[in-house]
Amino acid sequence: DVKVTQSSRYLVKRTGEKVFLECVQDMDHENMFWYRQDPGLGLRLIYFSYDVKMKEKGDIPEGYSVSREKKERFSLILESASTNQTSMYLCASSRRVDGELFFGEGSRLTVL
Amino acid sequence: GQSLEQPSEVTAVEGAIVQINCTYQTSGFYGLSWYQQHDGGAPTFLSYNALDGLEETGRFSSFLSRSDSYGYLLLQELQMKDSASYFCAVRGAAGNKLTFGGGTRVLVKP
Repeated sequence: DVKVTQSSRYLVKRTGEKVFLECVQDMDHENMFWYRQDPGLGLRLIYFSYDVKMKEKGDIPEGYSVSREKKERFSLILESASTNQTSMYLCASSRRVDGELFFGEGSRLTVL
Repeated sequence: GQSLEQPSEVTAVEGAIVQINCTYQTSGFYGLSWYQQHDGGAPTFLSYNALDGLEETGRFSSFLSRSDSYGYLLLQELQMKDSASYFCAVRGAAGNKLTFGGGTRVLVKP
């Protein structure tokens, strides 16, 4: 069974804190993605990576960075969390860059 | 850029048929996908249309008309477990970025 695991289901952070969201996949997929999901806005792509140490900006990269040191792990970093980054964050992976996405359960982040 | 429009909510009774429309604007087009997400769960892939026409998978079918920049997901013989949000998504010119619509919440009543 394919599996994408996100390290934290719920996080509460304070404005200005540095936040790490971790994602691990066990499918040996080349491609990994970070989306944020907000009501009525669907899923918006923050960053994606098609290989280790490679990354590309998505549609809303401002305020975020990513790290992919190993094939199975893709981290999303909020250098200085702000209240407008309160959201559900979804990690996904795919075998082909244009293939079906497999999503994790999500990490709900609240920034106070 | 890319944008997609789909209704925000649809309500129907068990056994009924529901059609969720999706219109899109994109520079270049490589296909229309549909994902299902139950409350509190992860989105899961339902279907993908790269060519015009109807694709059927059990009770669910997906249709695409590239000339109209339009597609729909058809849910037949609705069951309570079909209560979920459904997202259309397009892959545009870049090919490697999937852009999602705002989602349609389907509520199935007894």
